[in-house]
Amino acid sequence: DIVMTQSPDSLAVSLGERATINCKSSQSVLYSSNNKNYLAWYQQKPGQPPKLLIYWALTRDSGVPDRFRGSGSGTDFTLTISSLQAEDVAVYYCQQYYSSPQTFGQGTKLEIK
Amino acid sequence: QVQLVESGGGVVQPGRSLRLSCAASGFTFTSHAMHWLRQAPGKGLEWVAVKSFAESYEDYADSVKGRFTISGDSSTNTLYLQMNSLRPEDTAIYYCARDRGVSYRGWFGPWGQGTLVTVSS
Repeated sequence: DIVMTQSPDSLAVSLGERATINCKSSQSVLYSSNNKNYLAWYQQKPGQPPKLLIYWALTRDSGVPDRFRGSGSGTDFTLTISSLQAEDVAVYYCQQYYSSPQTFGQGTKLEIK
Repeated sequence: QVQLVESGGGVVQPGRSLRLSCAASGFTFTSHAMHWLRQAPGKGLEWVAVKSFAESYEDYADSVKGRFTISGDSSTNTLYLQMNSLRPEDTAIYYCARDRGVSYRGWFGPWGQGTLVTVSS
């Protein structure tokens, strides 16, 4: 199985500041035939199910604010929130869908400083 | 709009069985692979099982293989998860989710609100 490791485990950022969450896969999730990275990001607020934010490592899902940006390739990926809003407090997960079983990172808890 | 609603969770003794349901609406049920995932209390996300009606394919996590069975009813747009020989470590919120990829191994969205299964004596 591909192991997904996120860093940090928790993060406190001031409102309006940038938040950066990292995700590393134990093997590359870049499929050479289509040059796509098989990686997604989710946001989970307390008491709610996860919500899809980004797929193909950098494509925002419909309705996701443009302050959320995905980047990276191969084994190293980043989710950046450019200007933190109060409603962004949540746990964020990365997920690979390059191979079965699909696996998730352990989550990064984002709080307001 | 696309909506998924799970039901069937509850408290069950170890070794017993439970069947979860996921009612889907707003999309053609059999045109997408459908998944079950779970989240133990205070823990992360774990993929459990997938069913692709179009490709007649299903698969399971090693942790549930041989104990859980995924199925669906296209006439009622309902996905099921039959869980047998339940163990305390199966305690979790169980979510159903639609596959958004090109086949049965993609990213997930939307997710239902989840149903809690507690395995305890």
